Amino acid sequence: DAGVTQSPTHLIKTRGQQVTLRCSPKSGHDTVSWYQQALGQGPQFIFQYYEEEERQRGNFPDRFSGHQFPNYSSELNVNALLLGDSALYLCASRFDQDSGNTIYFGEGSWLTVV
Amino acid sequence: LAKTTQPISMDSYEGQEVNITCSHNNIATNDYITWYQQFPSQGPRFIIQGYKTKVTNEVASLFIPADRKSSTLSLPRVSLSDTAVYYCLVGDSSNTGKLIFGQGTTLQVKP
Repeated sequence: DAGVTQSPTHLIKTRGQQVTLRCSPKSGHDTVSWYQQALGQGPQFIFQYYEEEERQRGNFPDRFSGHQFPNYSSELNVNALLLGDSALYLCASRFDQDSGNTIYFGEGSWLTVV
Repeated sequence: LAKTTQPISMDSYEGQEVNITCSHNNIATNDYITWYQQFPSQGPRFIIQGYKTKVTNEVASLFIPADRKSSTLSLPRVSLSDTAVYYCLVGDSSNTGKLIFGQGTTLQVKP
């Protein structure tokens, strides 16, 4: 039973470019969330997808967008990259009907913007 | 979502029991308390979750007093591999996925 998988693990982009990060949720999970984690900080919530719709959004600009596919996998897109977008991007999944507060994280995608 | 407060850092030695306390004065009736562990360059990993009293699993114990305004994560007999950042979070299932992480507690286990 695979956990949450993310790709790519590392990438380097130039300012102004666009990037797409991918996530496959844990088997049986239907809800995907994305987080940004800067060095030395806790993860910051970007948005959550459920039933192919963005359900919740954190305090991130419209340059950050996403998508969820019918198989529950998800993409995070960031346009017009800034140096400050350099961070670890984490995907997390859960089954919507589960009670409590448990989500499962992938290992993340390290993005460096130069 | 309730805000949490926990120590920035803690030191311990191998074999000791470590207790990390988290304050969440504004916890709501439906909120659960959840702890995550994060190693460098890895995603956070779920450790334990509770609602009230005491919860124990193979990794840790979670103690929650009756007023639920705080909680204590207890790690028995820590080893060097327990060196990590530990996050305390509170929230209910309607907000799950939109978890609010603080800076966490950096636990350094020494030999």
